[in-house]
Amino acid sequence: NAGVTQTPKFQVLKTGQSMTLQCAQDMNHNSMYWYRQDPGMGLRLIYYSASEGTTDKGEVPNGYNVSRLNKREFSLRLESAAPSQTSVYFCASTRGQSSYEQYFGPGTRLTVT
Amino acid sequence: AQKITQTQPGMFVQEKEAVTLDCTYDTSDQSYGLFWYKQPSSGEMIFLIYQGSYDEQNATEGRYSLNFQKARKSANLVISASQLGDSAMYFCAMALGNFNKFYFGSGTKLNVKP
Repeated sequence: NAGVTQTPKFQVLKTGQSMTLQCAQDMNHNSMYWYRQDPGMGLRLIYYSASEGTTDKGEVPNGYNVSRLNKREFSLRLESAAPSQTSVYFCASTRGQSSYEQYFGPGTRLTVT
Repeated sequence: AQKITQTQPGMFVQEKEAVTLDCTYDTSDQSYGLFWYKQPSSGEMIFLIYQGSYDEQNATEGRYSLNFQKARKSANLVISASQLGDSAMYFCAMALGNFNKFYFGSGTKLNVKP
């Protein structure tokens, strides 16, 4: 039981390049989330998916797109990376249905130069 | 607008003593959830404790308790008998919107002194 996994762990991009961050959970959770954490700050919600087939914007969605590929997988895409997107990205999941504890992945450290 | 406020950027506590980490929140929703997470220097996020807005009793999980004062909109974390391994960043968070939209505070860095 791996919990929440994220790939890659580290990534360096040049301004304007695109990439997709992958997230998968094996806990049969309904809801999945993408956050970013900037130095010295708390997490900010980018997008979430309350159930398979649905996605919604969070607090800071600009510059990102997401796909809930199936119940297990939730990917985050940067179409044209900018230095302001340098951050640590966390994926999380919850079972929902009155169980709201979030399980987090290990994070992806992204640097955009 | 800031929804979660943690006013203590850093705190020190002596090993084996209790410590309270402050958190205030702002929402007009009736249904919401309050959470505390620990982030060690290794970077992972670890769930500690949860309090629902309709829960009348304060939540407890081992050495962690959440002091929930609804009228004051505060949800302080109390760690009893601090241990060296408690040194970490601690984040308060609130869930709104049918518990899908999570908002985190800026965190409190706790240092436990031997």
